[in-house]
Amino acid sequence: EVQLLESGGGLVQPGGSLRLSCAASGFAFATHAMSWVRQAPGKGLEWVSVINGAADTTFYADSVEGRFTISRDNSKSTLYMQMDSPRAEDTAVYYCAKCRRTSCQMGGGFDFWGQGTLVTVSS
Amino acid sequence: AIQLTQSPSSLSASVGDRVTITCRASQGISSALAWYQQKAGNAPKPLIYDASSLESGVPSRFSGSGSGTDFTLTISSLQPEDFATYYCQQFNSYPFTFGPGTKVDIK
Repeated sequence: EVQLLESGGGLVQPGGSLRLSCAASGFAFATHAMSWVRQAPGKGLEWVSVINGAADTTFYADSVEGRFTISRDNSKSTLYMQMDSPRAEDTAVYYCAKCRRTSCQMGGGFDFWGQGTLVTVSS
Repeated sequence: AIQLTQSPSSLSASVGDRVTITCRASQGISSALAWYQQKAGNAPKPLIYDASSLESGVPSRFSGSGSGTDFTLTISSLQPEDFATYYCQQFNSYPFTFGPGTKVDIK
């Protein structure tokens, strides 16, 4: 059974830092691209970032480019998101999601999502 | 970035109704489109991928169609558990944008 378990959310001050984790199990983690998606309170879904299985290719939404860094440790089957210099508008539930195929751009969308972790950016 | 629009933004329907939601892309995305269902407080649930492929375990009353710029999600006979918000998402190019969502509630 595929499971994605996010952790690391909480209250962070503007300009601070926070690292989110997503522990994966039940599938060949290293062979699938992984992504982060967020949802601000009462708002829609916003794609944030993606990383390929080999961890040598990443893409970001313009809204987080240069402030957030996605990474993964395939030996631990864990996805990360380092959030530096967060802003109030980064307050959201952050979900990790698994690409159905090796690359998300091969189609198939996200076939599994975690339950999400809430990040609140406030002083 | 590719923009996705959804219509309607919300609708009220009764159990048993046929419901159609449209997603339109600002440029062609072939069949690289997925649909998700989200209920309050829960993660999105995949319904359709590659525009028309039904996710395993999803009831056959859900179907997707379209290619290029115009896509449709259809629920053939709305059930009580289908009242939720539905999102489309494109996977043709980065950023993988979502539509704004369509909320389906009870009439």
